[in-house]
Amino acid sequence: QSALTQPASVSGSPGQSITISCTGTSSDVGSYNLVSWYQQFPGKAPKLILSEVSTRPSGVSSRFSGSKSGNTASLTITGLQAEDEADYYCCSYASGNTRYVFGTGTKVTVL
Amino acid sequence: QVQLQESGPGLVKPSETLSLTCNVAGGSVRSGSHYWSWIRQPPGKGLEWIGYIHHSGNTKNNPSLKSRVTISVDTSKNHFSLKLTSVTAADTAVYYCARADDSNESIDYWGQGTLVTVSS
Repeated sequence: QSALTQPASVSGSPGQSITISCTGTSSDVGSYNLVSWYQQFPGKAPKLILSEVSTRPSGVSSRFSGSKSGNTASLTITGLQAEDEADYYCCSYASGNTRYVFGTGTKVTVL
Repeated sequence: QVQLQESGPGLVKPSETLSLTCNVAGGSVRSGSHYWSWIRQPPGKGLEWIGYIHHSGNTKNNPSLKSRVTISVDTSKNHFSLKLTSVTAADTAVYYCARADDSNESIDYWGQGTLVTVSS
């Protein structure tokens, strides 16, 4: 099972919106609405920010939203803030010999 | 609030076995709706799912690690463990233990991570 494909980096100015894509296959993203997203700051553990494509856990800002079309899931951050500068990873439930497959990760830079 | 804490050696010699334990507080490894997982992250790289165990003993591992991985659970101590055999420098990484929620297949709680370096 190959890693899900994400852009290596995305940047935006404060207040703008950015979108991070996460492309998988029909064995993972395309077959299940079980895509989650994680935010990771340097030296810290990842934090869950979206589950089931678009569900925000309690306490997560409404500026984070998710969607999915076919084999590609997306994370959108609206009203970009300096505190959003971090690495973001998608993860999908997968069929077959594995259970979870992570994305390659995207570094978000706030200009 | 569930808290997970990894423990184990920070340095392992090549060809030897990496052993880590994850202590769980504020929750029980007997939970029927959670999978107790190990995930790793090589320095400067992305996340890789290693495997999970359910308290029933059901396990699943990343096929890329072949048969080198063993995950076990000790319900009496409320902890679970990872063993990775025949390690090489490529196994150098921050190892995280985590809890996966089987209702939505998300990883909702993570340990702080522990760096394991493979070197002679």
